[in-house]
Amino acid sequence: DAMVIQNPRYQVTQFGKPVTLSCSQTLNHNVMYWYQQKSSQAPKLLFHYYDKDFNNEADTPDNFQSRRPNTSFCFLDIRSPGLGDAAMYLCATSRVDREQYFGPGTRLTVT
Amino acid sequence: QKEVEQDPGPLSVPEGAIVSLNCTYSNSAFQYFMWYRQYSRKGPELLMYTYSSGNKEDGRFTAQVDKSSKYISLFIRDSQPSDSATYLCAMSSNDYKLSFGAGTTVTVRA
Repeated sequence: DAMVIQNPRYQVTQFGKPVTLSCSQTLNHNVMYWYQQKSSQAPKLLFHYYDKDFNNEADTPDNFQSRRPNTSFCFLDIRSPGLGDAAMYLCATSRVDREQYFGPGTRLTVT
Repeated sequence: QKEVEQDPGPLSVPEGAIVSLNCTYSNSAFQYFMWYRQYSRKGPELLMYTYSSGNKEDGRFTAQVDKSSKYISLFIRDSQPSDSATYLCAMSSNDYKLSFGAGTTVTVRA
């Protein structure tokens, strides 16, 4: 089945220790997104790629970076995680101007 | 004022009842409207996708969009305990960015 896959599903990292979350898709969508979702809140868009074009949201902290080496994969790098970065991180994909499909999420814990 | 307002809930209904969920919005440029279902500790799952005004039905789910009133609804007929989840409305114009409601948590009691 075509889908959005995120790894790992659960990640524990230490304060200040870099962490990378990964997302892959078999939908062949050209747009990929990263969202942060905290408890009982709506997902918050961090950035998105339209093909290789990177689009950063104005309020996304510099601590968050992303890479998209090819159509299928996208990575979220958190350079120096703080306690406030503990959240669910969601990857989503879409075709241009169409509905977004989300992965299962990676729950990040910062100790 | 938030761009998208969603009835906060929580909502508790008996099995078999009709669940009614609503969102209002302020941006008249929105033309794509979605409803997502999110189970606890899972990613949002797309339930319904509509473009512009009108109704769309899929099984027990009906989505309505009224652009003149800037109001969208999702109805769940014959609700089941497995429908217990948080429901998020989302909408966009042409810039890829989704604007979400805050979500309504629904519990269907067996």
